[in-house]
Amino acid sequence: QKEVEQNSGPLSVPEGAIASLNCTYSDRGSQSFFWYRQYSGKSPELIMFIYSNGDKEDGRFTAQLNKASQYVSLLIRDSQPSDSATYLCAVNAFFGNEKLTFGTGTRLTIIP
Amino acid sequence: DGGITQSPKYLFRKEGQNVTLSCEQNLNHDAMYWYRQDPGQGLRLIYYSQIVNDFQKGDIAEGYSVSREKKESFPLTVTSAQKNPTAFYLCASSKGLEDGYEQYFGPGTRLTVT
Repeated sequence: QKEVEQNSGPLSVPEGAIASLNCTYSDRGSQSFFWYRQYSGKSPELIMFIYSNGDKEDGRFTAQLNKASQYVSLLIRDSQPSDSATYLCAVNAFFGNEKLTFGTGTRLTIIP
Repeated sequence: DGGITQSPKYLFRKEGQNVTLSCEQNLNHDAMYWYRQDPGQGLRLIYYSQIVNDFQKGDIAEGYSVSREKKESFPLTVTSAQKNPTAFYLCASSKGLEDGYEQYFGPGTRLTVT
């Protein structure tokens, strides 16, 4: 079983709709969760991080964490064509260990 | 401007040659990391360093070496022992244990070995 799993996609969403990206992780002791956006040919860019159960909002982005079910999701409201990218989920195992484990990413396409 | 720089952006080498990739940061971050990304795959950790003069192997360290003589610099050497060196190499840094685990990436170096 992979440590961090994401649906590879592609996920196609109409412009203006909500894009929902999901990530599950296997280590129940995981503490910190990150979402990165990666445009084709570019390096990953951090867009959200969440440490506590519940929702965290930043502009059009909302990260949701459910530690009991071991999943973290990213919602993108009012999707724009510029949101078309691959979204990587990353998980930090426990405090005191700075290593992140990355999923393989979900490719998101926003259809104008 | 604070940030992470990697050079060069593209690098071409012949098989059997060692090559060193540069990574410099002026964010005053304690921790630095090297990842490798292959097409359609996630990031795999090669080496990381939490303080100067100390570093640890990641998941795929074989065929690679690093040094951390200065806080700002974390060069990666891809040796001839690395069987499949062609990949996109990414350097990242983070503040460290006390201030957060968020990692920030440089622009990457695309290495092609023929």
